[in-house]
Amino acid sequence: GAGVSQSPSNKVTEKGKDVELRCDPISGHTALYWYRQSLGQGLEFLIYFQGNSAPDKSGLPSDRFSAERTGGSVSTLTIQRTQQEDSAVYLCASSLRLAGGVDTQYFGPGTRLTVL
Amino acid sequence: GDSVTQMEGPVTLSEEACLTINCTYTATGYPSLFWYVQYPGEGLQLLLKATKADDKGSNKGFEATYRKETTSFHLEKGSVQVSDSAVYFCALSEEDGLVFGKGTKLTVNP
Repeated sequence: GAGVSQSPSNKVTEKGKDVELRCDPISGHTALYWYRQSLGQGLEFLIYFQGNSAPDKSGLPSDRFSAERTGGSVSTLTIQRTQQEDSAVYLCASSLRLAGGVDTQYFGPGTRLTVL
Repeated sequence: GDSVTQMEGPVTLSEEACLTINCTYTATGYPSLFWYVQYPGEGLQLLLKATKADDKGSNKGFEATYRKETTSFHLEKGSVQVSDSAVYFCALSEEDGLVFGKGTKLTVNP
């Protein structure tokens, strides 16, 4: 079956612009996660959804970051007023359930964001 | 909070050499433990996992045993191949997301 897909695969933007990153999880997966991979910070967990709900937003780097999920499926990560330090690869993952982390997370190919 | 420490790379080996990548963790609970692999130009893939103490995860000739007493989950392979060249990430599960180590780049030369 289809895996996790993300779009766009690459995004180049100018400092101060807003960007939207999209994630389509595996069909039937109720849990969805966003991570960021950057040279300086490695792999950082940002936020998770159980269904359409994101109970804990404390992992988001700043209030310029927001995420939503609709219909228990597609999720969008929005970065407002982008800064150069936002440049990174943004990874999305999904799992069948949240289940205390026992279920395997399947990762998408990522969106490489470059802020000029 | 929970954390994962894995050995610094890069690691360079000849084909058929033995591999060990050390990984230790700190956690307040009893997390599941994972090794993920990222091949050049590809996304993260699960390599193996263990969900409780003394479990051994294995896949593609790689093995790792969940050692609660030493809080470790070292990755081992008896004979590496050129195709094993990749970045390897140790991770543990928290209630919400995964906590990753910084990754170890492995290069296997023919």
